[in-house]
Amino acid sequence: SYELTQPPSVSVSPGQTARITCSGDALPKQYAYWYQQKPGQAPVLVIYKDSERPSGIPERFSGSSSGTTVTLTISGVQAEDEADYYCLSADSSGTSLFGGGTKLTVL
Amino acid sequence: EVQLVQSGAEVKKPGESLKISCKGSGYSFTSYWIGWVRQMPGKGLEWMGIIYPGDSDTRYSPSFQGQVTISADKSISTAYLQWSSLKASDTAMYYCARSGQDSGFDYWGQGTLVTVSS
Repeated sequence: SYELTQPPSVSVSPGQTARITCSGDALPKQYAYWYQQKPGQAPVLVIYKDSERPSGIPERFSGSSSGTTVTLTISGVQAEDEADYYCLSADSSGTSLFGGGTKLTVL
Repeated sequence: EVQLVQSGAEVKKPGESLKISCKGSGYSFTSYWIGWVRQMPGKGLEWMGIIYPGDSDTRYSPSFQGQVTISADKSISTAYLQWSSLKASDTAMYYCARSGQDSGFDYWGQGTLVTVSS
């Protein structure tokens, strides 16, 4: 079955750049979406259509795509960015799935 | 203002049935998909399925096909997720979320906690 693979954890110091990857065979043909989830809260969309940023999301959040991998980049990480991050994309059958999630720790 | 308001927390016994709801407001309910997402305690997000209230087109993840039923009543702008026979393993937070064309799940409900315990 189709899978989206994310690293379980990423750690960065404040002010550094965090990169979270998501890999899947269908990603060259399907858009990816990124969600931030803090403890006890509903997820929030931070990137859509691979690289578009919704209104209200800080400019330090960006997305990119290359082949079978999409990447969420957080430039100048702040303490408030510590959260779980999930990618979402569709498979070829008209359904979608989430990656396993990445815990971002700000040291 | 777009809002998705979900029904309250539920505590049920194994074998019981349950239907939880998600009411949309502030947008055209029939023009966007509504999806359901499960989050088991301490675990990640799982895409369960999605419905287009305009024509009731419904799609399920293979993992959830036959385990739950997704429906919608467009006359009251409400989507539903239901179980006919709950198991302890259905204990989780369930979120509804709106999805437009290529917009992803852009608005989310607050979540409904379902606890299944004997």
